[in-house]
Amino acid sequence: DTAVSQTPKYLVTQMGNDKSIKCEQNLGHDTMYWYKQDSKKFLKIMFSYNNKELIINETVPNRFSPKSPDKAHLNLHINSLELGDSAVYFCASSEGDSPLHFGNGTRLTVT
Amino acid sequence: AQSVTQPDIHITVSEGASLELRCNYSYGATPYLFWYVQSPGQGLQLLLKYFSGDTLVQGIKGFEAEFKRSQSSFNLRKPSVHWSDAAEYFCAVGSYSSASKIIFGSGTRLSIRP
Repeated sequence: DTAVSQTPKYLVTQMGNDKSIKCEQNLGHDTMYWYKQDSKKFLKIMFSYNNKELIINETVPNRFSPKSPDKAHLNLHINSLELGDSAVYFCASSEGDSPLHFGNGTRLTVT
Repeated sequence: AQSVTQPDIHITVSEGASLELRCNYSYGATPYLFWYVQSPGQGLQLLLKYFSGDTLVQGIKGFEAEFKRSQSSFNLRKPSVHWSDAAEYFCAVGSYSSASKIIFGSGTRLSIRP
């Protein structure tokens, strides 16, 4: 069983569209994250949720809105997509002091 | 400011040769250090971590890393690389008490020469 799974794996869309990426973890972890990896492989945290509550919200445009229906799920909705949003988005989870467990990523391409 | 530097963007080594990937950090408190590996199309997988104790830590897949406080370094090593080790390697530093405070380096891409 995949510990942290995200869908879709690839997402190609046009500027101005709205899209969502879903993430689920079956590890029983309390905390989930969204990271963005740009074309230079630089990895930066976007959001962190602990037990469905937002605890980290880095400097991210408000077009990005995370939603956590329960502690096993953290979805990312993006409005009015822009070219600069093209990247690989990773979901991750952790519990207490455990290291991060990452999903396999969603490659978003905005044309 | 807290930061992680991986000075080598891309390294190529021959299969069977030894490997060392460099990582330097700047961190105000006692650092907790990690190495992650990212294979193409995959997420990041933890190779090893250092929190305290023995400064030489063993990880998965035959990797090890040595914490040198005086040099602010945490270099990753492997005595003999395999073609399957070709991947992107990320060093990270943070506060163990909060995984959300982890800062990642920019990565080193490892290629293996047959």
